[in-house]
Amino acid sequence: KQEVTQIPAALSVPEGENLVLNCSFTDSAIYNLQWFRQDPGKGLTSLLLIQSSQREQTSGRLNASLDKSSGRSTLYIAASQPGDSATYLCAVRRSEKLVFGKGTKLTVNP
Amino acid sequence: DVKVTQSSRYLVKRTGEKVFLECVQDMDHENMFWYRQDPGLGLRLIYFSYDVKMKEKGDIPEGYSVSREKKERFSLILESASTNQTSMYLCASRTDRGLYNYGYTFGSGTRLTVV
Repeated sequence: KQEVTQIPAALSVPEGENLVLNCSFTDSAIYNLQWFRQDPGKGLTSLLLIQSSQREQTSGRLNASLDKSSGRSTLYIAASQPGDSATYLCAVRRSEKLVFGKGTKLTVNP
Repeated sequence: DVKVTQSSRYLVKRTGEKVFLECVQDMDHENMFWYRQDPGLGLRLIYFSYDVKMKEKGDIPEGYSVSREKKERFSLILESASTNQTSMYLCASRTDRGLYNYGYTFGSGTRLTVV
């Protein structure tokens, strides 16, 4: 059974800091991995999608990497801003199942 | 951009009521999904559908049913609402066209409270 773990559960940083969020998964036979952002009381917004054959994807200040063999992904946020404060979820897809981690709650302090 | 629209942001229903949660997507996606999200438990799959009139049970289907009469619309039905169904409900869609493994698009969620 696929399990997805995100560490840390919560992170508080000062504005301007570069930071890394971690995601690990137990079964490397995945189709892809997706990073989402969730604001309090809201739905999920897709940030980055990495296919199993890819190593990384970039969008603006965000960079996500994937090491399928070791079952790890990282989300790098450069020059963090207070508006980046949210919960970040990683999810891996295998067949029809999308398995989520429990998320990392990020707070960026002005 | 794909848009997944959930008709209600907040709902308050009484125990025993039949509750309908509606979800519509506008990009002709074949697959649609219903999840619930609870603190400490994360997101759990309730039901999904890969075509009109088709449905498959997810991890926690008990107490729920679904309906997909049109490709763009996927409804979640709570046959007799109970307080343990108080939760955030999230709808999602995905296409499988071509050889690419597409990602999921989620709606804005419905916060359901059963009293």
